[in-house]
Amino acid sequence: GAVVSQHPSWVICKSGTSVKIECRSLDFQATTMFWYRQFPKQSLMLMATSNEGSKATYEQGVEKDKFLINHASLTLSTLTVTSAHPEDSSFYICSALPLAGGGETQYFGPGTRLLVL
Amino acid sequence: GENVEQHPSTLSVQEGDSAVIKCTYSDSASNYFPWYKQELGKGPQLIIDIRSNVGEKKDQRIAVTLNKTAKHFSLHITETQPEDSAVYFCAAKAAGNKLTFGGGTRVLVKP
Repeated sequence: GAVVSQHPSWVICKSGTSVKIECRSLDFQATTMFWYRQFPKQSLMLMATSNEGSKATYEQGVEKDKFLINHASLTLSTLTVTSAHPEDSSFYICSALPLAGGGETQYFGPGTRLLVL
Repeated sequence: GENVEQHPSTLSVQEGDSAVIKCTYSDSASNYFPWYKQELGKGPQLIIDIRSNVGEKKDQRIAVTLNKTAKHFSLHITETQPEDSAVYFCAAKAAGNKLTFGGGTRVLVKP
């Protein structure tokens, strides 16, 4: 149980294009999903908190107009990197907080590796 | 905000030996402390967690201890195996549901 998927698992795009990453909770509903960014050999840095049906809350220093987040249902959140540049190349990971049980455990997806040329 | 420090950054142990990773946190309001294992190119997987009303928790070869007064918690892996080789992250949750992660520990278990 508690499986989170991400699609695509990796993507290569040209500078200036936009890329959409999907995060799905497969066997549970999640009112809250989180988006993290991880550079090589570094820790996870929270980018934003996504709540179903409302606007995402971005961490300090994260450009909301560049990283668009949509959480349209209890099982799907999307992150769109707009006008991507080489410095946006990174490993993007989402996590989901199950609605049932009032628990605190975040379940992570497998990550999406983005390379911007 | 919360700040989590994790040590050591790398840890090399012989198969069968124990591995210990230590974390300290800054926010006394933190009440939930998960540990994640991340293999190369994959997302983090929860291996064990502990809440602030508990001092110790064990799951087979893995145990976590928490000292609220000193604001530190530790992960203990006994009888290490090569498949334990990975990067381990500690985290702390204070207000809301946001996790703050430590810097990670790269564990290498030598056969």
